[in-house]
Amino acid sequence: QITLKESGPTLVNPTQTLTLTCTFSGFSLTSIGVGVGWVRQPPRKALEWIALIYGNDDKRYSPSLKSRLTITKDTSKNQVVLTMTNMDPVDTATYYCVQRGGYWGQGTLVTVSS
Amino acid sequence: DIVMTQSPDSLAVSLGERATINCKSSQTVLHSSNNKNHLGWYQQKPGQSPKLLIYWASNRGSGVPDRFSGSGSGTDFTLTISSLQAEDVAVYYCQQYYTTPWTFGQGTKVEIK
Repeated sequence: QITLKESGPTLVNPTQTLTLTCTFSGFSLTSIGVGVGWVRQPPRKALEWIALIYGNDDKRYSPSLKSRLTITKDTSKNQVVLTMTNMDPVDTATYYCVQRGGYWGQGTLVTVSS
Repeated sequence: DIVMTQSPDSLAVSLGERATINCKSSQTVLHSSNNKNHLGWYQQKPGQSPKLLIYWASNRGSGVPDRFSGSGSGTDFTLTISSLQAEDVAVYYCQQYYTTPWTFGQGTKVEIK
């Protein structure tokens, strides 16, 4: 059974760096075809893809956010970590961890506010 | 980026009737390497994370009722709910995974008439 769970702060100050961790089970992120990524959804808005990391450590980023993002993996812990710098109130959203095969975590709401 | 455009933005259908949602991509999502359409459909109920309904444009996900079906190829796709049930009230999204950045449609809200 594949599961993913997001963890991280629920409140972030503007200009701060956000660090989110996805802890997964039921698969291994060591193969080229396997990937774990992040998707976000502002309140009452549509889904936006952010980043993806493959088992071979190939990394992909949203062009509009690329300069602010870093995605890494720790295969020994079955974790994927996303960092997003210079947070702004428009970044307020539910952040989902997503496995390339279509499995999603429950999401975590991150609010950016002072 | 590949732009995904869904229509309509919302629709109201009577219980037991058919619901049809369209999705158009700005370029083909049919990959020549495997001759598959890299297109999925998701269902999102209020307060829940999206659930995969359809992958490769027409394959139902695990446990998905057979009243849900996907069709289309290249740039034009359709999600059909053959007989709408009360539990199908949700927002539906199409998504291309042909290339990064993955992109989603704007969503279609399905309600009961």
